Formats: sequence, C-alpha cells, structure tokens
Amino acid sequence: DTEVTQTPKHLVMGMTNKKSLKCEQHMGHRAMYWYKQKAKKPPELMFVYSYEKLSINESVPSRFSPECPNSSLLNLHLHALQPEDSALYLCASSRTTGNTEAFFGQGTRLTVV
Amino acid sequence: QKEVEQNSGPLSVPEGAIASLNCTYSDRGSQSFFWYRQYSGKSPELIMFIYSNGDKEDGRFTAQLNKASQYVSLLIRDSQPSDSATYLCAVIADSWGKLQFGAGTQVVVTP
Repeated sequence: DTEVTQTPKHLVMGMTNKKSLKCEQHMGHRAMYWYKQKAKKPPELMFVYSYEKLSINESVPSRFSPECPNSSLLNLHLHALQPEDSALYLCASSRTTGNTEAFFGQGTRLTVV
Repeated sequence: QKEVEQNSGPLSVPEGAIASLNCTYSDRGSQSFFWYRQYSGKSPELIMFIYSNGDKEDGRFTAQLNKASQYVSLLIRDSQPSDSATYLCAVIADSWGKLQFGAGTQVVVTP
C-alpha cells in the first residue's frame, strides 16, 4: 500500500480566510513533505519533516505554517494568502529522508480569490 | 542550483511504438533517480526508480542510468493511449530527500 491521503481535494478561500490542508499516511514513513505545483511547472519543495521535526523550510512565506502532530499526519495551515498562491499543493512521504522513493498524495487544488 | 533537464515535448508516439524519454542532471554526486507520471490535473505517480548504472525493467517500462554521462532515460514499450501524460524526471538533491524535478516531457500516444 503506497497511499497518501490529502483533504480537501479542492479549496477556494478568500485572502482573509484561515484554512488548513491535511495529509495522512499509514505506511510507517518517517519523512513527509509539502510541495507546491503551479500550472505547467514541476513540483517545488516547501517543507520537509523528518521524525516529526521540521528539517527544511525552503524560504516559504510565513503565511504558510506547517505542522506535524504525529508520524502519520502532516498539516499545512494557510492564512492571509495571495491570489498568486493558487496552485496544486502536494503532500509526499518516504521511509526516511535521503535516497528513498517518495509517494505523493492526490493533492489539494487551492484557489485564492 | 542543481539542474535536471528534459525535453518538454510534446513527444508524439504511434500506438504500439516505443516512447523514449531522456533526462540529464548536473550534480555528479546524485545517487537516486525517479520517473513520475502525471496526468493532467492529477498528482505525480512514481513509476520507476533506479539507483545503479544499467537498465531496470518493470513491465512495459525500462529505466536506464549512465552516471558517467549523467544521463537517465525511460523507455515505454508498446505505448498505449493511456500512457499519454507528462513524465517527470527527478533526482534527490540533498540529504533530506528533496526531489529536484525536470520540467517534464509531455507524451501523446496517437491511435
């Protein structure tokens, strides 16, 4: 089973709203990632969590706030987003960090109005 | 910045033919290489990974790695219309598992 589940699948939010994206995996993976993908571009890394600790923040604006409550869950809290933040947000997991395969969830299509 | 280069396509392939996709990478120290398939509006799906020089086959897919030439390729045999998608080449860029993606090659299989 290589399933990573993301909710919601679609989200429309205003620039003053606060919302959260959720990601769950039950593969026992200890590394989890958030990527952002704009239309016709490849995914770009935002955050890496390793053993529930934030390891990498790729200079992401503070309006994006990640959280890893336990080894199976990863959240991305959104606040005061801009229209240019509209994108496909992808969660991924792998057994550990380093040279292992990563599996993506189905993504959350976010539109900021 | 570590670079991963792919031809963007589209690569048009007749049904039943072999699709050949190429990827080059700039970091000679890279050790892990992946091919993801992404249908329009969907998320990337891992279809092949390769860590050692040579060929790796899985069903209709073959990945080929040549570390000396810093080159990785994907062959799709007996191409089907369902293979029409964007294929993303990815390389692990650091010790944290960051995937560095190429721009992707769009493959169109024509009946």
